[in-house]
Amino acid sequence: NAGVTQTPKFQVLKTGQSMTLQCAQDMNHEYMSWYRQDPGMGLRLIHYSVGAGITDQGEVPNGYNVSRSTTEDFPLRLLSAAPSQTSVYFCASSYTGTGEAFFGQGTRLTVV
Amino acid sequence: DQQVKQNSPSLSVQEGRISILNCDYTNSMFDYFLWYKKYPAEGPTFLISISSIKDKNEDGRFTVFLNKSAKHLSLHIVPSQPGDSAVYFCAASALGAQKLVFGQGTRLTINP
Repeated sequence: NAGVTQTPKFQVLKTGQSMTLQCAQDMNHEYMSWYRQDPGMGLRLIHYSVGAGITDQGEVPNGYNVSRSTTEDFPLRLLSAAPSQTSVYFCASSYTGTGEAFFGQGTRLTVV
Repeated sequence: DQQVKQNSPSLSVQEGRISILNCDYTNSMFDYFLWYKKYPAEGPTFLISISSIKDKNEDGRFTVFLNKSAKHLSLHIVPSQPGDSAVYFCAASALGAQKLVFGQGTRLTINP
């Protein structure tokens, strides 16, 4: 049972480039989310999904795009990378809306 | 505005003693609270949670206390063990919502 798998683990981008962070879960969870972790700020919600075909914005959605075509996958797209998007990104999934989520190992992104 | 606050960035405790981590929140709509533990280069892992209809929840060495009137919760770890050294995040959500709001985290160090 792999749980939540994120790829890549590390990425360096140049300003203006686009990329997709992959997230897959094998637990048949309905709820999936993306967070970013910055020093001194905890984790902040970027986008979330309550099921295939349904997504919504979190606290810091600007510059990011998501889609949910299957229950298993929830990719996060950076449209035009900026240095302010340098962060560690975590994907999470859960059965219910109560927040007892399983997290992936994270993607460390640096934008230069 | 920080809706969930952990005012102590770090805490150092002797092995075998009690560790107490604190968390304050401002949003009265929060009705479910969670603690997550995070080791370096890993994703957060769920530790323990409490519903707003309770004031205490225990799970082995971990106990979470909720004081709704003070909008304060705490995590007690007793006895503390070296493997408890990690960053602890407090999080909150409203029932049915998948929007977890995290505190900034407290780095707990257990000294032998």
